[in-house]
Amino acid sequence: AQSVTQLDSQVPVFEEAPVELRCNYSSSVSVYLFWYVQYPNQGLQLLLKYLSGSTLVKGINGFEAEFNKSQTSFHLRKPSVHISDTAEYFCAVIPTGGFKTIFGAGTRLFVKA
Amino acid sequence: DTGVSQNPRHKITKRGQNVTFRCDPISEHNRLYWYRQTLGQGPEFLTYFQNEAQLEKSRLLSDRFSAERPKGSFSTLEIQRTEQGDSAMYLCASTLDGGNYGYTFGSGTRLTVV
Repeated sequence: AQSVTQLDSQVPVFEEAPVELRCNYSSSVSVYLFWYVQYPNQGLQLLLKYLSGSTLVKGINGFEAEFNKSQTSFHLRKPSVHISDTAEYFCAVIPTGGFKTIFGAGTRLFVKA
Repeated sequence: DTGVSQNPRHKITKRGQNVTFRCDPISEHNRLYWYRQTLGQGPEFLTYFQNEAQLEKSRLLSDRFSAERPKGSFSTLEIQRTEQGDSAMYLCASTLDGGNYGYTFGSGTRLTVV
């Protein structure tokens, strides 16, 4: 079975500051890793994904994430946030060849002016 | 393609009533999922269709819940004899085979049971 732990439930940050949202996962098999973003009263939107190869992956809206196999982590980063980045962010895993994605509990990013 | 469409967006119902939600996935996606999301939590898996076949159901899906995907196109999720604990956002997602594409989600149906 897989599990996902998002280490911070809320992250307040000032506009134009860098941010890191932390994610750790547990799995006995290899997995694909994802970050999704959810704006209020909307569904989730895929930000980026790690399948294989380079451990640094870039996504939409200037976000990037780094896969660390030894630490079983997949932290999300952005060098300079905007007010419009205020949303809930979910880390997720799916076993390679599997069918069910497991989501973390989410991190609420709040960008202050 | 207009993405994944869910209807209705909001549903308020009295306890004990039946409700049905509809999901129209992206047409070429053969996998369709239903997830439930409660306040402050991530989406929880409910059930999964590969084309028209329902291949997995979560233990969260009691006998009061039933889902269908006739002809592998749209899907419906029905909750019978609703309870207050059923209040949640119900999310539909679709994708292609392989697991490596990520999901395309609909905007969800928010159910409130009063």
